[in-house]
Amino acid sequence: DTAVSQTPKYLVTQMGNDKSIKCEQNLGHDTMYWYKQDSKKFLKIMFSYNNKELIINETVPNRFSPKSPDKAHLNLHINSLELGDSAVYFCASSQETQGIETQYFGPGTRLLVL
Amino acid sequence: GENVEQHPSTLSVQEGDSAVIKCTYSDSASNYFPWYKQELGKRPQLIIDIRSNVGEKKDQRIAVTLNKTAKHFSLHITETQPEDSAVYFCAASRAAGNKLTFGGGTRVLVKP
Repeated sequence: DTAVSQTPKYLVTQMGNDKSIKCEQNLGHDTMYWYKQDSKKFLKIMFSYNNKELIINETVPNRFSPKSPDKAHLNLHINSLELGDSAVYFCASSQETQGIETQYFGPGTRLLVL
Repeated sequence: GENVEQHPSTLSVQEGDSAVIKCTYSDSASNYFPWYKQELGKRPQLIIDIRSNVGEKKDQRIAVTLNKTAKHFSLHITETQPEDSAVYFCAASRAAGNKLTFGGGTRVLVKP
């Protein structure tokens, strides 16, 4: 009955590789997000999708490409991985209720680029 | 865009004492202010939130206050317990559907 799930939980890979992280939510929410949390714990939004449409695209390198096949899934593909991409990536989802959109986070994917 | 500053970055308190974390924001149009707790190796989880039409909100040992004029809001934890040890994040957003901007986080350590 996991609300927001991500796979894989851990990802160790070499520089230059291409990798994908998957996110699924079973809450029926319309909006999904990707966040990056660096080693200093700073949480920064990368992308947001609403009903499969991109609505927020922060200043993120083109090597990062989100894809939303349906409103319950938001995947993140990263090309040509660099050392600086090492971080924890959190997926989140939300649904507007009385003007508020509470965001629920997935468990995170710990990416280590060697 | 919105900028959220959070202080202190670390906070050490004795069990049973109170802890206060303060945040300031820059966008006067922000109207939703959630607080998240992140335990080591876990996901951020919402613990309390406040809307701009309310000045204070309480939930058991935690409370949040909001001063819209001064553009700052605070989290208060009373009677702290070791399980309150975590990183706490404040955040602000303009309206539903808009992005959350997070503060830098406060690492709280409750010493038994």
